[in-house]
Amino acid sequence: KAGVTQTPRYLIKTRGQQVTLSCSPISGHRSVSWYQQTPGQGLQFLFEYFSETQRNKGNFPGRFSGRQFSNSRSEMNVSTLELGDSALYLCASSLSGGFGEKLFFGSGTQLSVL
Amino acid sequence: GENVEQHPSTLSVQEGDSAVIKCTYSDSASNYFPWYKQELGKRPQLIIDIRSNVGEKKDQRIAVTLNKTAKHFSLHITETQPEDSAVYFCAASIFGGSQGNLIFGKGTKLSVKP
Repeated sequence: KAGVTQTPRYLIKTRGQQVTLSCSPISGHRSVSWYQQTPGQGLQFLFEYFSETQRNKGNFPGRFSGRQFSNSRSEMNVSTLELGDSALYLCASSLSGGFGEKLFFGSGTQLSVL
Repeated sequence: GENVEQHPSTLSVQEGDSAVIKCTYSDSASNYFPWYKQELGKRPQLIIDIRSNVGEKKDQRIAVTLNKTAKHFSLHITETQPEDSAVYFCAASIFGGSQGNLIFGKGTKLSVKP
């Protein structure tokens, strides 16, 4: 069974640009969550999607958005990039995002904003 | 919202010693507490979890304890080995929410010296 796949692995952008990251969950998993990881800040929750609907959202500005497709694949978009957006962006999938379900993480997309 | 504090941020032990990492949470309604291990350059992986109706859970050399009254939970690793070196993250789930909105601590970098 293939794991969670994130593309691309690395991205370099300049301030003001926008970026789209992709996440393909494990087959059969319908919940996809996104996290931002920065040194010293741990994993900060961005949002969670289930059945093409955003079900939960963290405390990030509106420049961060996402969507989920009917095949459960998810994309995350960041517009008007800022230097502080440089981070590792991780997505994680689970069967339904239900209580106590194990999260399976992807390898992440390392975004550098210059 | 929920806030999770994790201590210490770094921990160095000799091989064979025990290691303890502590986390406190703010929302008394939180009822699920997983621990994730992230080795250098790799994705986070669930190593153990505990639900609020259980006070302690053990899996070979690792154990987690939960004190709901004090709102804190701890990870205990006994007989540490060099391969235990990694960053460990605790997390708590907001009551009624889905697994997708886990709130993580900032992580503890554990170094096990041979």
